[in-house]
Amino acid sequence: NAGVTQTPKFQVLKTGQSMTLQCAQDMNHNSMYWYRQDPGMGLRLIYYSASEGTTDKGEVPNGYNVSRLNKREFSLRLESAAPSQTSVYFCASSWTGGYNEQFFGPGTRLTVL
Amino acid sequence: EDKVVQSPLSLVVHEGDTVTLNCSYEVTNFRSLLWYKQEKKAPTFLFMLTSSGIEKKSGRLSSILDKKELFSILNITATQTGDSAVYLCALYSGAGSYQLTFGKGTKLSVIP
Repeated sequence: NAGVTQTPKFQVLKTGQSMTLQCAQDMNHNSMYWYRQDPGMGLRLIYYSASEGTTDKGEVPNGYNVSRLNKREFSLRLESAAPSQTSVYFCASSWTGGYNEQFFGPGTRLTVL
Repeated sequence: EDKVVQSPLSLVVHEGDTVTLNCSYEVTNFRSLLWYKQEKKAPTFLFMLTSSGIEKKSGRLSSILDKKELFSILNITATQTGDSAVYLCALYSGAGSYQLTFGKGTKLSVIP
């Protein structure tokens, strides 16, 4: 089992460019999440999908969109990248919420110039 | 607004020392508290503590939850250089919650 996989591992964008971060899990989990991690700020939730067909905003959703493509895949899109979106992005999945550990992918390091 | 505060922010110890990491919180409708270890990549799960399970132990690591005083501690005994990492505390709160609120972490450095 690969667990949670993310692509790409690294990306450099110019301000205003768009891109999509891909995430897939092979653990048959119902719930999936996107976080960003910035120095001194900890992990902050951007969006989550409690189950296939649903998505909800987290703490810092502005500037992002998500798509739960199917049970396995959850993508994060930056429509017009800004330098403030320079960060490390983690995807995670869990069986469900509340009492379940979340499993994290290896992360994508994004730099917006 | 839910808050998770970890202390200290960083800690340097020698191999063999025992360390205690702290996590205090203010959340509505507490569900569970989780500890993660983050080396250079993704966080990896260590423990989950709930109202029905307030103490956990795995090898040299142990954790307790004090729901009355709203804190948790993570103990590591006989530290090794491989314990060097950032340790993250996180909480689920609220009805039907899927949102984990993370603290900023404690960076532990273990020197030989």
